[in-house]
Amino acid sequence: EDQVTQSPEALRLQEGESSSLNCSYTVSGLRGLFWYRQDPGKGPEFLFTLYSAGEEKEKERLKATLTKKESFLHITAPKPEDSATYLCAVCTTDSWGKLQFGAGTQVVVTP
Amino acid sequence: DGGITQSPKYLFRKEGQNVTLSCEQNLNHDAMYWYRQDPGQGLRLIYYSQIVNDFQKGDIAEGYSVSREKKESFPLTVTSAQKNPTAFYLCASSNQPNTEAFFGQGTRLTVV
Repeated sequence: EDQVTQSPEALRLQEGESSSLNCSYTVSGLRGLFWYRQDPGKGPEFLFTLYSAGEEKEKERLKATLTKKESFLHITAPKPEDSATYLCAVCTTDSWGKLQFGAGTQVVVTP
Repeated sequence: DGGITQSPKYLFRKEGQNVTLSCEQNLNHDAMYWYRQDPGQGLRLIYYSQIVNDFQKGDIAEGYSVSREKKESFPLTVTSAQKNPTAFYLCASSNQPNTEAFFGQGTRLTVV
């Protein structure tokens, strides 16, 4: 059975304190891995798509990387506005575009 | 502005009533999805549609129904058969399979 596990469940950072979020997956065949940001009471906002091991994507203070078993979302020198829940999702070879989500990591950045 | 519009934002329903959640997109996407989100859990797929007049059950379809009569619209009906309907409902669309999906702002349904 396909599984997506995110860790930690919650992360509290001081402003400027860099850290990484983990998304580990056990799937039959990965077609794509997606990172989203979700603010309270809002829909997820798309951040990155990664398709193959070794691939990296960057956007402002965020950088996503992918290996054959996991993905990391690195937050460099975070600001309070980076506070959100970060969701990881995978699409597999036998799931036709359907996304399977992890439970998310709630990030709080304090000034 | 292109995007996905869900309405209403908040919805209250009495037990035993059916209720329909609206989802409209102007992104010209073929595929549309409905997910349910509960506190502390990941999003779970209710129904999805690859093309107009076609849809398939997701992982938790029991107690829900959908229609896809137009490319732009994918309404979700929460029926009285759904045992625990209180949740945050999210609609999404994507251009092609295995590409990123874009989400609406959600509808929070509360059964009173």
